[in-house]
Amino acid sequence: GEDVEQSLFLSVREGDSSVINCTYTDSSSTYLYWYKQEPGAGLQLLTYIFSNMDMKQDQRLTVLLNKKDKHLSLRIADTQTGDSAIYFCAENGRRSGGYNKLIFGAGTRLAVHP
Amino acid sequence: DSGVTQTPKHLITATGQRVTLRCSPRSGDLSVYWYQQSLDQGLQFLIQYYNGEERAKGNILERFSAQQFPDLHSELNLSSLELGDSALYFCASSVAGQDNEQFFGPGTRLTVL
Repeated sequence: GEDVEQSLFLSVREGDSSVINCTYTDSSSTYLYWYKQEPGAGLQLLTYIFSNMDMKQDQRLTVLLNKKDKHLSLRIADTQTGDSAIYFCAENGRRSGGYNKLIFGAGTRLAVHP
Repeated sequence: DSGVTQTPKHLITATGQRVTLRCSPRSGDLSVYWYQQSLDQGLQFLIQYYNGEERAKGNILERFSAQQFPDLHSELNLSSLELGDSALYFCASSVAGQDNEQFFGPGTRLTVL
């Protein structure tokens, strides 16, 4: 079935790089997304990658996609305390008849400590 | 600020009641999506409207319904509320109906007592 999996928790030191991993099951997904949710706030679209790309870089963010293994990662360079949040991986599911819906992972809580 | 607005921010009601959540998409966006975020189910897609018409349906209960009006704002109606309906309800919008970036509103937190 539809499934997006992420590790639940990641702790990093300020200034280090963070790598958040995600695996998905739907090989027909055309886009894969990373969203950020800060406490008490909505979801902020951070970046997304088209499925025919391997990598996308946007300032401190690097997205890597391994389509063969259905593995997506988000690297945050020079992690800051303001990066502390929950990060959601999502794919646009093409199965089950609805191709516009996003299927989310459970979210990875990133804690940045001094 | 994504440009998507949702009202109210918080809603507290009792079991058996009915509530309406409202969403205004970003200017120019034709598509509206509703998601539910709960502790046990995570983030789940409920329903999508595009230019007034239902486009895709997810795990939406029969007690829930939605519509998109000519001015493109959308309402999610939740009836016969149960304790388990307590959740954060997000609305998102996108320019078109497919494969586009979805921008999320701040959500409406519903508490059913």
